[in-house]
Amino acid sequence: GNSVTQMEGPVTLSEEAFLTINCTYTATGYPSLFWYVQYPGEGLQLLLKATKADDKGSNKGFEATYRKETTSFHLEKGSVQVSDSAVYFCALSDGGSQGNLIFGKGTKLSVKP
Amino acid sequence: SAVISQKPSRDICQRGTSLTIQCQVDSQVTMMFWYRQQPGQSLTLIATANQGSEATYESGFVIDKFPISRPNLTFSTLTVSNMSPEDSSIYLCSVLRQMNTEAFFGQGTRLTVV
Repeated sequence: GNSVTQMEGPVTLSEEAFLTINCTYTATGYPSLFWYVQYPGEGLQLLLKATKADDKGSNKGFEATYRKETTSFHLEKGSVQVSDSAVYFCALSDGGSQGNLIFGKGTKLSVKP
Repeated sequence: SAVISQKPSRDICQRGTSLTIQCQVDSQVTMMFWYRQQPGQSLTLIATANQGSEATYESGFVIDKFPISRPNLTFSTLTVSNMSPEDSSIYLCSVLRQMNTEAFFGQGTRLTVV
């Protein structure tokens, strides 16, 4: 069945460091791919998405490119800030609807000043 | 965006009892979902809450254990019945305004069963 494998955390970085959180997926067909973020005490929020191969999603300095050949959707940011400290979830939707999402386990990111 | 109010935010319950979690949205939405996040695990879809009819459950989840109501387009409840410590999880409500649009999540209900 469909699944998402996400880099285990926690990840601790210094401010302005480069961030990569790896995400790979297994799916039939052509899934849409998402990164969600959960800030402390808040609900899940959509960070970015890509709906087809080679699409690049971007938001708030974060980027991820849909790589069908490697079945990956790695999250990157060139210079993290303390305010980026959160839990990041990679997810896929195989039915065209974001409602039925399959999530990775989440990666907790802590950014130190 | 959609503003989702999920209650309670957390609870500690005795085994064998039941807890009902409420999800209220600030406007009508097409789809509502309930997820579970067990400790150290990813989010897992429990069911789709259907307005005016029985919920659609995912494999491994049954109505007797997780009865769901959705009386209108802005409100849904999830009940965790006859609880055991294995039910200790975070339960999340999610909504779609329309198909193929962004999914919004409530803040979750952290349930501990003792």
